Amino acid sequence: TQLLEQSPQFLSIQEGENLTVYCNSSSVFSSLQWYRQEPGEGPVLLVTVVTGGEVKKLKRLTFQFGDARKDSSLHITAAQPGDTGLYLCAGATGYALNFGKGTSLLVTP
Amino acid sequence: NAGVTQTPKFQVLKTGQSMTLQCAQDMNHNSMYWYRQDPGMGLRLIYYSASEGTTDKGEVPNGYNVSRLNKREFSLRLESAAPSQTSVYFCASSGRQGNEKLFFGSGTQLSVL
Repeated sequence: TQLLEQSPQFLSIQEGENLTVYCNSSSVFSSLQWYRQEPGEGPVLLVTVVTGGEVKKLKRLTFQFGDARKDSSLHITAAQPGDTGLYLCAGATGYALNFGKGTSLLVTP
Repeated sequence: NAGVTQTPKFQVLKTGQSMTLQCAQDMNHNSMYWYRQDPGMGLRLIYYSASEGTTDKGEVPNGYNVSRLNKREFSLRLESAAPSQTSVYFCASSGRQGNEKLFFGSGTQLSVL
């Protein structure tokens, strides 16, 4: 069962553009994590959001957790080619993390 | 610090063959996990081990078995491989079960012909 829906599935933009990736669910999560995965590698944690309405910034990346703790967004300002990768959101189900299908981002120079 | 180490990196099997994917972590983590990643399907949990000596089924356990050999090692076995098991397999570990940060290995790309 896929509890987390991510959109868009694919995104191709030019360097310098802004973008937002969404992660939505009908379930409430105690916390939500965002990972980035590069080709041939495993996912690497970017951030964990815990409190409803929480906003966290990681350089040009801004993460927000919805007030009801059912959804989250990732906003990238002035995207760079190094931001290229698969972005995954994951929510805790009690015994393990449940992942969304991911958003594949390509940033071209 | 190696983190999570998976072997092999690549494997090709014929239908019906068996194999074991190995995973070891050196972070003294209690919990370990096996996920598979397929195009358009995301990461799906196969089995997990909350602590040494325990294992439990995840979302897609059919066709797999696991062994938590000790605190460091968690192996995944395919007894009779099927083409539907062609996938990229990731092992992960965390300090404790639940919403802890996951540390992933670099994956095993498995093709079953």
